[in-house]
Amino acid sequence: EAQVTQNPRYLITVTGKKLTVTCSQNMNHEYMSWYRQDPGLGLRQIYYSMNVEVTDKGDVPEGYKVSRKEKRNFPLILESPSPNQTSLYFCASNGQGATGELFFGEGSRLTVL
Amino acid sequence: GENVEQHPSTLSVQEGDSAVIKCTYSDSASNYFPWYKQELGKRPQLIIDIRSNVGEKKDQRIAVTLNKTAKHFSLHITETQPEDSAVYFCAACLSGGYQKVTFGTGTKLQVIP
Repeated sequence: EAQVTQNPRYLITVTGKKLTVTCSQNMNHEYMSWYRQDPGLGLRQIYYSMNVEVTDKGDVPEGYKVSRKEKRNFPLILESPSPNQTSLYFCASNGQGATGELFFGEGSRLTVL
Repeated sequence: GENVEQHPSTLSVQEGDSAVIKCTYSDSASNYFPWYKQELGKRPQLIIDIRSNVGEKKDQRIAVTLNKTAKHFSLHITETQPEDSAVYFCAACLSGGYQKVTFGTGTKLQVIP
């Protein structure tokens, strides 16, 4: 089954404790991206990657890091989380030459105390 | 950078009536305009999209129109049904959706039986 898998789905952590949200896709997609969803603000792109070792900033990259060492994985790293990073995070992927449709993971709800 | 404005933020219609959601964008280089539907607690899913070389696209009860000159595009849902109740997001994308993707802030549609 074609899917994008995120882990963890739910996480409560404390300010300053480094965490990683993993994202993996099994569709051999070149393009992967991260978004955060906040009430009234919609979905905002954090980072995107057009292929292995190629990443670029979206609209709200501050406080986040990403890496793309393998085609299937695109982890989101919060080196020193702060309460304003409390949000619902979505990973998505799509393939070159395809329609442009983003395939989203199920989302990861992060709370930073 | 790109800025996408979406209106209205909430919309209530009677079952069977039509619903229209409007978006404007700022970057004339954007060339791909998808619409995503997000049901409560679920991930966003593509329902229809349009590219900049097309003015209108229809899929059963859903249609999208694009006015490149005015930089706005709209989602039209006819004969609304209770299962159409969800949050709808428009987006404007460069390079067919493989780079920057900017979403609108969302429209919560409620279809009243």
